[in-house]
Amino acid sequence: DSGVTQTPKHLITATGQRVTLRCSPRSGDLSVYWYQQSLDQGLQFLIQYYNGEERAKGNILERFSAQQFPDLHSELNLSSLELGDSALYFCASSVEPHSGNTIYFGEGSWLTVV
Amino acid sequence: DAKTTQPPSMDCAEGRAANLPCNHSTISGNEYVYWYRQIHSQGPQYIIHGLKNNETNEMASLIITEDRKSSTLILPHATLRDTAVYYCIVRARNYGGSQGNLIFGKGTKLSVKP
Repeated sequence: DSGVTQTPKHLITATGQRVTLRCSPRSGDLSVYWYQQSLDQGLQFLIQYYNGEERAKGNILERFSAQQFPDLHSELNLSSLELGDSALYFCASSVEPHSGNTIYFGEGSWLTVV
Repeated sequence: DAKTTQPPSMDCAEGRAANLPCNHSTISGNEYVYWYRQIHSQGPQYIIHGLKNNETNEMASLIITEDRKSSTLILPHATLRDTAVYYCIVRARNYGGSQGNLIFGKGTKLSVKP
């Protein structure tokens, strides 16, 4: 158990809908990362937050957004969903963004868009 | 793009040492070498990381060549539960920004056989 908690574990929704994925980082971790893993793309970095502020953006679509709240939990919002958005979404956390600090991953949220 | 090259797959007999190679010929002096593994769509699991010196923990050993252009992850006594995709990642030492994130390549699929 990495200490990173993600909910829901599984989600099935229809095209065009909007969903919110939630992440609670490890106790004491200030930095949160979101990754997407689909069958044909591998693990793709989406976005990073540190202490409530956006720090870095990766391959995140404009239909997706995220935020980190004062209690440090984070939410990833996915809207106007398409079939191709079906994937595993991982949240990860670290104490700080410094690369000497290990990043720990949650078990992921399975999203299926039908 | 990932800065590492790994063989796509390897086999190892149960109980034997698994030696997973990784080339990172363009690594710079401020970059760490990190290893993660992913077991069948679970969240990526941190294994070990190093900068210059060899490292060992309860899971594995990391051997980094003197010129730092390659490294080897050693699982001393592989078990069936070590079957997974292993990712070698170079990660910038700089504080913050996207350079501190983990950029995953395709990894090595290790199959431990009875």
